[in-house]
Amino acid sequence: DAGVIQSPRHEVTEMGQEVTLRCKPISGHNSLFWYRQTMMRGLELLIYFNNNVPIDDSGMPEDRFSAKMPNASFSTLKIQPSEPRDSAVYFCASSRDGPYEQYFGPGTRLTVT
Amino acid sequence: AQSVTQLGSHVSVSEGALVLLRCNYSSSVPPYLFWYVQYPNQGLQLLLKYTTGATLVKGINGFEAEFKKSETSFHLTKPSAHMSDAAEYFCAVSAGNQFYFGTGTSLTVIP
Repeated sequence: DAGVIQSPRHEVTEMGQEVTLRCKPISGHNSLFWYRQTMMRGLELLIYFNNNVPIDDSGMPEDRFSAKMPNASFSTLKIQPSEPRDSAVYFCASSRDGPYEQYFGPGTRLTVT
Repeated sequence: AQSVTQLGSHVSVSEGALVLLRCNYSSSVPPYLFWYVQYPNQGLQLLLKYTTGATLVKGINGFEAEFKKSETSFHLTKPSAHMSDAAEYFCAVSAGNQFYFGTGTSLTVIP
């Protein structure tokens, strides 16, 4: 299996620009998670989907952030407009339904200048 | 409600010494427990997991952890540290579809 795939691996953008991060979960996994990791705040759960439906988005920092999962094999996390404080590593993870281990992608390192 | 507490955000050990990383959890239902490792500039990788059955679980790279229900603990150990063990370690608890990570422990191995 290819594992969780994220793109791009690195993104540098200017403040105010729209940023879209992409994730392809492991085939057969029906739960998908978006995390943000920074030195200051550690690992934070932003949102998670089950069977393509957002279940808990309480971690989404503000309306500038949105996430979609149009089908079982693709999800996006969008930031519009981006701000320097959004600079972080964003991870996508997937798991089977239930209390099973999550498999993480390699992350997208976002830098907003 | 579920939560995870990792005692010690930074742990240093000498190469060849015992590694002990502490994790305590709270859970209103029987928990599934996990340890993940994160090497620099990489994603989190599963080290080991406890679901049911034997309370001492073995993982990759010589690590093991013991589930102690009476102490609500799931500490991670390795008998002899190697330089390559230097990384960030996260404990996690799962119940239903909810997953909770601890704040992580950074392990430094001193040559």
